[in-house]
Amino acid sequence: NAGVTQTPKFRILKIGQSMTLQCAQDMNHNYMYWYRQDPGMGLKLIYYSVGAGITDKGEVPNGYNVSRSTTEDFPLRLELAAPSQTSVYFCASSYGTSAGNEQFFGPGTRLTVL
Amino acid sequence: AQSVTQLDSHVSVSEGTPVLLRCNYSSSYSPSLFWYVQHPNKGLQLLLKYTSAATLVKGINGFEAEFKKSETSFHLTKPSAHMSDAAEYFCVVSPNAGNNRKLIWGLGTSLAVNP
Repeated sequence: NAGVTQTPKFRILKIGQSMTLQCAQDMNHNYMYWYRQDPGMGLKLIYYSVGAGITDKGEVPNGYNVSRSTTEDFPLRLELAAPSQTSVYFCASSYGTSAGNEQFFGPGTRLTVL
Repeated sequence: AQSVTQLDSHVSVSEGTPVLLRCNYSSSYSPSLFWYVQHPNKGLQLLLKYTSAATLVKGINGFEAEFKKSETSFHLTKPSAHMSDAAEYFCVVSPNAGNNRKLIWGLGTSLAVNP
């Protein structure tokens, strides 16, 4: 059981470039999430998905897009990278949303936009 | 509005002494509460969670936390710190006990453990 995996671990982008952060989970979880963590801050929710084909905006969705074509995968797309998107990105998954359903996190992707 | 406040941004203790990381929350609903730990350059791991059952919650690695509704607090404690406890700790609240999609994260407390 690999849990939640993310690729790449590190990436440097130039302003205006685009990229996709990959996230996969093998726990058959319905719910998946993308967060960003800025230095000295807690996590902020970008997007989440309650199942294949269903996504919704979180707290800070601007500049990002997501899709969920399968239960396992939840990629995050940056279309026009900006320096403000320099951050560490975490993907997470959970079985459900009832009380006590913890979220399992991937190791993160450290993104720098120059 | 729902919020969570970690009262100390940085805590430093000596190895073998008790650890106290403080967290206060504000929620209109009966909340679920979590503590997560993040070791340097690592992902996040759940330490423990409160979900309206016992108010004293035991977690991994000897940590525990007590939910005090009257004080709206959920402080994290450990009787004896170990060097491996040095990490960032996040208090997290789910305002609606029946829905943890939109977790609210504290800013974190950095724990340093001195030999």
